[in-house]
Amino acid sequence: DTEVTQTPKHLVMGMTNKKSLKCEQHMGHRAMYWYKQKAKKPPELMFVYSYEKLSINESVPSRFSPECPNSSLLNLHLHALQPEDSALYLCASSQDPGQGPGSPLHFGNGTRLTVT
Amino acid sequence: AQSVTQLDSQVPVFEEAPVELRCNYSSSVSVYLFWYVQYPNQGLQLLLKYLSGSTLVKGINGFEAEFNKSQTSFHLRKPSVHISDTAEYFCAVSNAGGTSYGKLTFGQGTILTVHP
Repeated sequence: DTEVTQTPKHLVMGMTNKKSLKCEQHMGHRAMYWYKQKAKKPPELMFVYSYEKLSINESVPSRFSPECPNSSLLNLHLHALQPEDSALYLCASSQDPGQGPGSPLHFGNGTRLTVT
Repeated sequence: AQSVTQLDSQVPVFEEAPVELRCNYSSSVSVYLFWYVQYPNQGLQLLLKYLSGSTLVKGINGFEAEFNKSQTSFHLRKPSVHISDTAEYFCAVSNAGGTSYGKLTFGQGTILTVHP
């Protein structure tokens, strides 16, 4: 069982739809991440939140909008996506870097997104 | 900038045989090194990490890895594999400090297939 919970597990959306991916963790971690993983590729970092503030945006298109409403929740709002955005979206969390070195990431099982 | 190279995209082995998955990295600064495993339709799970100290690191599920600074390598090994070890394995690196702390750079992954 994973300690990072992502919903929904699967999502199919049209290019004009608006949807949201949700992520929740209760490990007291203060850093949370969104990664995108295309088939047969490694995860690619999209966003990093540290203490509920956006600290890294890897030049992600504005059709992806992250939100961190509190220390346990992370959302990814989707709007006007393209078929090439179809992928597995992984959420992860870690202890804030300031609390210790090399904090590993704890990943959820992901949301498999298909854009039609 | 950092990069990670996993030298084998696929490694087939028979059950109970030993296995080595190879990883080389490139970085101009000190790094932390990680191995993650991804089972089908799941997120990534940490196998082991190297932060400092002993260059031989032991992880979960009987895996171990050895950090070799002169060869900039961090190869993963297991003396006897099981069918359940069939998965994709990712080597990853992060800066040991600085504003990019916690940001992982992944290798392309190695698919380990264990045959009966």
